[in-house]
Amino acid sequence: ETGVTQTPRHLVMGMTNKKSLKCEQHLGHNAMYWYKQSAKKPLELMFVYSLEERVENNSVPSRFSPECPNSSHLFLHLHTLQPEDSALYLCASSQGTASNQPQHFGDGTRLSIL
Amino acid sequence: AQTVTQSQPEMSVQEAETVTLSCTYDTSESDYYLFWYKQPPSRQMILVIRQEAYKQQNATENRFSVNFQKAAKSFSLKISDSQLGDAAMYFCAYRNPDSNYQLIWGAGTKLIIKP
Repeated sequence: ETGVTQTPRHLVMGMTNKKSLKCEQHLGHNAMYWYKQSAKKPLELMFVYSLEERVENNSVPSRFSPECPNSSHLFLHLHTLQPEDSALYLCASSQGTASNQPQHFGDGTRLSIL
Repeated sequence: AQTVTQSQPEMSVQEAETVTLSCTYDTSESDYYLFWYKQPPSRQMILVIRQEAYKQQNATENRFSVNFQKAAKSFSLKISDSQLGDAAMYFCAYRNPDSNYQLIWGAGTKLIIKP
C-alpha cells in the first residue's frame, strides 16, 4: 500500500476545462513534488514544496498552478491545457529535501487532453 | 551539465537468472547520491536501492545489488534470481547535494522476465 495517494487515477479533459489533481501523503514528510512523465523521456520535475512553501518552479507554464495547503496535501490546478500536456503526473514526498532523502511516489494521474 | 544515460531501452531475462542494467552519468562533483527506482505497470515509482558516492562499498538490498565504479561514472544494477514480479521499468537517478532539489533521471530500461 502506497503512503502517497493520488486522485484521480485517470483524467480526460478538453483544452478549455479546469480540473485539479490531488496528492496526499501519509508518511509525515515535509516536502512534496510534482513530476511530469512523458513516454520515452526522463521524468521532469515541475514543482517542489518544502514546509508548504514553494521552493522550485522549473519554468512550468502558468496553465499549471500548484497549491500546498499543508504538508500532507498537494494540488495541481489545470486550465486551458494543450495536447502536449497529456502525460502521467506523479506526486512524491520526502522527509526534507536533502539529497540523501529518497522520494516516495504515488501511482500517478494519467492525464489525456482532447 | 549533469546527465544520466541508460543505454538499454529494453532487457529480457529468464526467470531465476541474473540480469544487469547499465547506467552511466556525467558529473564534475565528487559527492553525490545515486538511486535505482522501479516502476511496475501499477505506475508507482518504487525505490530499489541507493548509493552514496563517498562509500566505496557497493550497496545491496536482498536480490538487488549495484556495481558502482566512481572513476568510470558507472552505476549498474544487478538483479539475482529474477522473479516475475521484477518486470518493470527501471530508472537510474542522480542527485547532487548542492542541487536545487533536482533528481536527474535516465530514460529508463524496460525489464521483461521470461517464465
